[in-house]
Amino acid sequence: QKEVEQNSGPLSVPEGAIASLNCTYSDRVSQSFFWYRQYSGKSPELIMSIYSNGDKEDGRFTAQLNKASQYVSLLIRDSQPSDSATYLCAVNKAAGNKLTFGGGTRVLVKP
Amino acid sequence: DAEITQSPRHKITETGRQVTLACHQTWNHNNMFWYRQDLGHGLRLIHYSYGVHDTNKGEVSDGYSVSRSNTEDLPLTLESAASSQTSVYFCASSGNRGYSPLHFGNGTRLTVT
Repeated sequence: QKEVEQNSGPLSVPEGAIASLNCTYSDRVSQSFFWYRQYSGKSPELIMSIYSNGDKEDGRFTAQLNKASQYVSLLIRDSQPSDSATYLCAVNKAAGNKLTFGGGTRVLVKP
Repeated sequence: DAEITQSPRHKITETGRQVTLACHQTWNHNNMFWYRQDLGHGLRLIHYSYGVHDTNKGEVSDGYSVSRSNTEDLPLTLESAASSQTSVYFCASSGNRGYSPLHFGNGTRLTVT
């Protein structure tokens, strides 16, 4: 079992709809969780971080964390074609900031 | 503005040659990391450093080495390049507080022929 798992997609979403991405992790001691967006040929860029159970909203993005069930999700509201990218889930077990990444979910937003 | 710079952006080398990829950050971060990214495998950690003269192996460290002689630089060396090391390499750094996110460089695309 991989430490961090994501559905590879592609997740096809009509423009204006909500894209829902899920990520599960295996290590219960995981402490911090990040979502990165990566455009083709570019480096990952941080879009959300979440550390405690519940929801965290930032603009059109909402991260949801459930430590008991060991999953973290990302919602993208009012999806735009510019949101088409690969979204990487990353998990940190300790304060050393050594992140473990999932394989990424490719999102396609169709006009 | 602070940044993290990788060089070269593209590199083609032959099997068996030694190759060094440079990474330089101006964030004054103690923590620096090297990842490789391949289709089907996502980002995998090669080596990391928590400060000057500190280096640690990641999950795919065989065939790679790093050294940290100052805060700003963490060069990655492929001792004897192999075709299996054809990949995109990302350097990253993070702040000195616990659970700080990673800042990535623009990547180096390495091809070993």
